[in-house]
Amino acid sequence: DGGITQSPKYLFRKEGQNVTLSCEQNLNHDAMYWYRQDPGQGLRLIYYSQIVNDFQKGDIAEGYSVSREKKESFPLTVTSAQKNPTAFYLCASSPVRAGAGGELFFGEGSRLTVL
Amino acid sequence: DQQVKQNSPSLSVQEGRISILNCDYTNSMFDYFLWYKKYPAEGPTFLISISSIKDKNEDGRFTVFLNKSAKHLSLHIVPSQPGDSAVYFCAASSYFSGAGSYQLTFGKGTKLSVIP
Repeated sequence: DGGITQSPKYLFRKEGQNVTLSCEQNLNHDAMYWYRQDPGQGLRLIYYSQIVNDFQKGDIAEGYSVSREKKESFPLTVTSAQKNPTAFYLCASSPVRAGAGGELFFGEGSRLTVL
Repeated sequence: DQQVKQNSPSLSVQEGRISILNCDYTNSMFDYFLWYKKYPAEGPTFLISISSIKDKNEDGRFTVFLNKSAKHLSLHIVPSQPGDSAVYFCAASSYFSGAGSYQLTFGKGTKLSVIP
């Protein structure tokens, strides 16, 4: 089945450690995104990528890093520089074409808890 | 400053009645408006969208209305069912031709509870 797979679903990290969240899609979408959701908040954009080997900062990129070496994969690293990393992280993808309406396809999410 | 606002954090509706979820926006350049449904610990799923050139779009029990002059849209669910209980996010998209992609701006969500 086509879709987006995020792993791990739950992750615990000690303060000062970097952690990488995986996101893989087999929808053949060009664009991929990382969002963060906090309680009572909307989804806030961390990073996005329209094409392999290129990515752009979103609204809250500080303390995060990404790579896009393959079309199917867009891993997110939460670094020790991120001051408040405990959150629910969502990966999404979309086709890149005008008229598509901007519909995003989301993964199931990864919950990161910093101890 | 929030460009997409959902002013009601929560809404309770009796099963079988109409649910109306509201959303306001400030940027008149948005191309599309979308509604997403989200269950706890899961990713959002796309529900319905509307182009900025239309004023209504219907899909089964779900209808979205757009009032551009008021910069307001609403999602109607009729009849409401217990399985509709979830958080609903309103989102607005803009197409950036230079970047070749859509950028979505999300509201904070409204938690709908449908009471049996």
